[in-house]
Amino acid sequence: TQLLEQSPQFLSIQEGENLTVYCNSSSVFSSLQWYRQEPGEGPVLLVTVVTGGEVKKLKRLTFQFGDARKDSSLHITAAQTGDTGLYLCAGGRGSARQLTFGSGTQLTVLP
Amino acid sequence: DAGITQSPRYKITETGRQVTLMCHQTWSHSYMFWYRQDLGHGLRLIYYSAAADITDKGEVPDGYVVSRSKTENFPLTLESATRSQTSVYFCASRVGVSQPQHFGDGTRLSIL
Repeated sequence: TQLLEQSPQFLSIQEGENLTVYCNSSSVFSSLQWYRQEPGEGPVLLVTVVTGGEVKKLKRLTFQFGDARKDSSLHITAAQTGDTGLYLCAGGRGSARQLTFGSGTQLTVLP
Repeated sequence: DAGITQSPRYKITETGRQVTLMCHQTWSHSYMFWYRQDLGHGLRLIYYSAAADITDKGEVPDGYVVSRSKTENFPLTLESATRSQTSVYFCASRVGVSQPQHFGDGTRLSIL
């Protein structure tokens, strides 16, 4: 059973377009992180959100944590080819804030 | 360079053999984690450790053994490898509960 559902699983868009990736759960998380992963490498943290309703911006990327801390979204404005990669959301729970990962969204931005 | 390193990067072995994947971090981070990554499943937590000599099971611990006698090392052992354990394994570390998690570059393990 996947605690965190990511959608879409695959996304192919043209450079300059906007996109949104969703991360949904029926469980409450103490924090929500977004990672980006390149082929042959480990995931790299993009952002951590901890407060319900929190919005964080990282250049052209906007991250939002749902009010109930069960869901999150990642919006990319004017996508560039360098945004291509696997985007993973991860919810933190437990005494060690163990992370539960979503299955990922493979984004391809075409020139 | 400081960081988290995994070895080997690639490994091919046969069913029934014992395999140990190594993870070493130079930051003296308290927390260390082992994940496996399979298509359609994202990363799933196998085991984690909050400090030396303290380990705990994650989501998919069956068939795996870990130890942490030193803060900087967190080896993962497959005692009797099975084909279902073919995967990419990632080690990660974190300094504290609410701090960012840093990942190694992974070990691609194939079990024939």
